Amino acid sequence: DAKTTQPPSMDCAEGRAANLPCNHSTISGNEYVYWYRQIHSQGPQYIIHGLKNNETNEMASLIITEDRKSSTLILPHATLRDTAVYYCIVFRGNTGTASKLTFGTGTRLQVTL
Amino acid sequence: GAVVSQHPSWVICKSGTSVKIECRSLDFQATTMFWYRQFPKQSLMLMATSNEGSKATYEQGVEKDKFLINHASLTLSTLTVTSAHPEDSSFYICSARRPGLVVGGTEAFFGQGTRLTVV
Repeated sequence: DAKTTQPPSMDCAEGRAANLPCNHSTISGNEYVYWYRQIHSQGPQYIIHGLKNNETNEMASLIITEDRKSSTLILPHATLRDTAVYYCIVFRGNTGTASKLTFGTGTRLQVTL
Repeated sequence: GAVVSQHPSWVICKSGTSVKIECRSLDFQATTMFWYRQFPKQSLMLMATSNEGSKATYEQGVEKDKFLINHASLTLSTLTVTSAHPEDSSFYICSARRPGLVVGGTEAFFGQGTRLTVV
């Protein structure tokens, strides 16, 4: 699976949009971009994933560039509860339940008042 | 929604003793579960893949005799840290994938983690 590069940390003011970038320049055509987050001392939580189209759900939006070499996770109105480590993972979808997720170092997002 | 549950949430044990951590998929069957370990301020590192009815697959550098994995049913996997030592103190997290929930793959669910402290 392709490797990803994320900034180690970011700050965001509460109520503002948090834009978390991820580079995945070696992504292949059948790999999806997944985002998870981990709040301190908890297990990771799924946020969103996509292949090439932009995606939106109740938690966030995912913008994938046309060449698919990078993406941005957008939390439209960040709150203090969004403070967490955010992991961008590229993964070949539809490979069954035995396929493992490999985590990089992630971005530590600190939301402040 | 689907939930993966771990027990206990935290445990303190004496050096040399063994500790068992349980991972359950609460509303789906998981033929495969994954065990991760996370040291402070580090990312999750995959330790092993637990396969129902067969032997676990361990990642390179993980001692299979120290970290015993049993996946005897479709909803339960256990990780036993044998002869624990202070360097085994870590945050252990299990995961299971449930097929069919999302287009383009299988959503992975994670347990809440188990904080192991060996004294």
